[in-house]
Amino acid sequence: GNSVTQMEGPVTLSEEAFLTINCTYTATGYPSLFWYVQYPGEGLQLLLKATKADDKGSNKGFEATYRKETTSFHLEKGSVQVSDSAVYFCALHNDMRFGAGTRLTVKP
Amino acid sequence: DTGVSQDPRHKITKRGQNVTFRCDPISEHNRLYWYRQTLGQGPEFLTYFQNEAQLEKSRLLSDRFSAERPKGSFSTLEIQRTEQGDSAMYLCASSAFDRENHYFGPGTRLTVL
Repeated sequence: GNSVTQMEGPVTLSEEAFLTINCTYTATGYPSLFWYVQYPGEGLQLLLKATKADDKGSNKGFEATYRKETTSFHLEKGSVQVSDSAVYFCALHNDMRFGAGTRLTVKP
Repeated sequence: DTGVSQDPRHKITKRGQNVTFRCDPISEHNRLYWYRQTLGQGPEFLTYFQNEAQLEKSRLLSDRFSAERPKGSFSTLEIQRTEQGDSAMYLCASSAFDRENHYFGPGTRLTVL
C-alpha cells in the first residue's frame, strides 16, 4: 500500500543553519505531495505542495522538489530562524497519508 | 472566512461512555475529513465526505466510530463505548477540491479514563 517515510527527529539547529528534512513515499500513480507545519499551540497548516514530477513547491524560504525517480520530497531551507521551530509533516494526498512528523528546534 | 472550527476542544469521559464531536468546515468547502492523531505521530485518516456523502472510511476504523454530514455542511463524529485506546486528538479538515490542500481545525482532545 501507499506510505510516507519521514526523517526521524527531533532535529536541533542553530539559527541560520541549513535544514533538510527527508521524506520518501511509495504510491501508485502520481500523487500530489504536501508539507504541513504545526507551530506550538496551533493547528496544522499547509506549508507547500507539488502536484507533479519535477515541480518545486516553495513558501517562507522553504522548498521541496517532487522527485519521481527517487520517490522523494525533501524539505529544505537555507537559513533557519528561531520562529521555524515546529513539527513538520510530509503528506501524500491520494489516500490521505501523513508521515510521523519531524520536530525542529532552532536555537538562537 | 473564519476557518475550520471544532467543538469541544477538550473532552474527558469514562470508559464505556459515548462521545460526539462537531466540526464546522470552511463554508465553501464541499470536502470534509476526519483524522486521529496520537502523540508523536502524524494524522491518521478516519473518513472523508464529499458534500453529505461519506465516500471513504479507513479499514482500521472500528464499528464503534460513526460520522455524519447530514446537510453537507457541519459534520459529527461519534464514538460509542469508548475505550482508553481512543484517547487522542481528533482533527477535522476541509478542502475545496478533491485531495487538495487541507485546512485543519484546532482539534478535539479526547481523554478516556
